[in-house]
Amino acid sequence: AQTVTQSQPEMSVQEAETVTLSCTYDTSESDYYLFWYKQPPSRQMILVIRQEAYKQQNATENRFSVNFQKAAKSFSLKISDSQLGDAAMYFCAYRSPISNFGNEKLTFGTGTRLTIIP
Amino acid sequence: DAGVIQSPRHEVTEMGQEVTLRCKPISGHNSLFWYRQTMMRGLELLIYFNNNVPIDDSGMPEDRFSAKMPNASFSTLKIQPSEPRDSAVYFCASSLAAGRGTGELFFGEGSRLTVL
Repeated sequence: AQTVTQSQPEMSVQEAETVTLSCTYDTSESDYYLFWYKQPPSRQMILVIRQEAYKQQNATENRFSVNFQKAAKSFSLKISDSQLGDAAMYFCAYRSPISNFGNEKLTFGTGTRLTIIP
Repeated sequence: DAGVIQSPRHEVTEMGQEVTLRCKPISGHNSLFWYRQTMMRGLELLIYFNNNVPIDDSGMPEDRFSAKMPNASFSTLKIQPSEPRDSAVYFCASSLAAGRGTGELFFGEGSRLTVL
């Protein structure tokens, strides 16, 4: 079974600065999906960014980017120019290849609570 | 486009009562997931369906929990009888099924259940 580990329960960053959230995972599969979801106080789960394991290029979405190290099974999220609205719980998640019928669930890490300091 | 719709948003009930949570997935999505979120256990998958058929219910805590998906646009999660330890936020999520889409799950806003 796959596992996802987020070793930083809490992080804080000064507004406008850059912060990196860590995530490692364990799998024997060679192809898979990785995600970062954001959960603000409203509790809505919002997709921040996705990475397909077969793609070597790191995904980027505006101020959000990932550092995907497949051999090390590491998937960190970098938030540049942090804004007050970035304050939330961030969850790293793994999904088996969508061709792997019957094992489609998302496996989540325990989350990192990010605080933005004005 | 409408997202995943869950109801109720909040439910407060007394121990022993029956609770029914409802979910309408995004039209065209073939897979539906029920997750539970608590401080102690984080996000746990309870059950998921593919084309209305339950595929993995290994996360359902016990016989007090049941889930149905009578058609592609509706699912329920029922707890009977409810207990205080069932207090949690219950999320429904949907996605395209195997071989299609970008792999992400789309979540509803969650149903916060409090059992007194």
